[in-house]
Amino acid sequence: SQTIHQWPATLVQPVGSPLSLECTVEGTSNPNLYWYRQAAGRGLQLLFYSVGIGQISSEVPQNLSASRPQDRQFILSSKKLLLSDSGFYLCAWHSGNNNEQFFGPGTRLTVL
Amino acid sequence: QKEVEQDPGPLSVPEGAIVSLNCTYSNSAFQYFMWYRQYSRKGPELLMYTYSSGNKEDGRFTAQVDKSSKYISLFIRDSQPSDSATYLCAIPTGNQFYFGTGTSLTVIP
Repeated sequence: SQTIHQWPATLVQPVGSPLSLECTVEGTSNPNLYWYRQAAGRGLQLLFYSVGIGQISSEVPQNLSASRPQDRQFILSSKKLLLSDSGFYLCAWHSGNNNEQFFGPGTRLTVL
Repeated sequence: QKEVEQDPGPLSVPEGAIVSLNCTYSNSAFQYFMWYRQYSRKGPELLMYTYSSGNKEDGRFTAQVDKSSKYISLFIRDSQPSDSATYLCAIPTGNQFYFGTGTSLTVIP
């Protein structure tokens, strides 16, 4: 069965510090991968999605970037965090063969 | 106009009540509709998935689609405290997914 991992689970970072969040998927090949942010009391905001290695689509202009160095690995990064980057970051995958999307456990980021 | 709109609630019901959660959507071409459940501080989990119009039942949960009104609903029968969560509707289109903002539900014992 397919499993999606995210780490770290919780992160507290100072403003201006760098960020690296990692997501890996097991049990599937060539998944579509997604990064979402969920602010408190708000819906899911799509940040990036990827249909293959090295292919990244950005949905929202911001100080975040994403990379997909391997088929089942998706990384979210920032060179300098802002207070507004605080939120719950969710990675998700979609097989492309059906319409179901599955989420990871999330990373709660607090920028102070 | 947003692709998917959802009443954020919050909704508070006594244990055993029937709960109705609803979303509206804008594009009549949408064919697939999903409901996710998200417990506090957890990732959303896929609850139900329906195609086109009609009802789909899974235990105490029923998903309903009314394409003429562009309205989707999730009904929970005999609600339990363990159903307390945020429920999100979602519509896939190609490689992207449109999500409602979520309805927060609390079932009071």
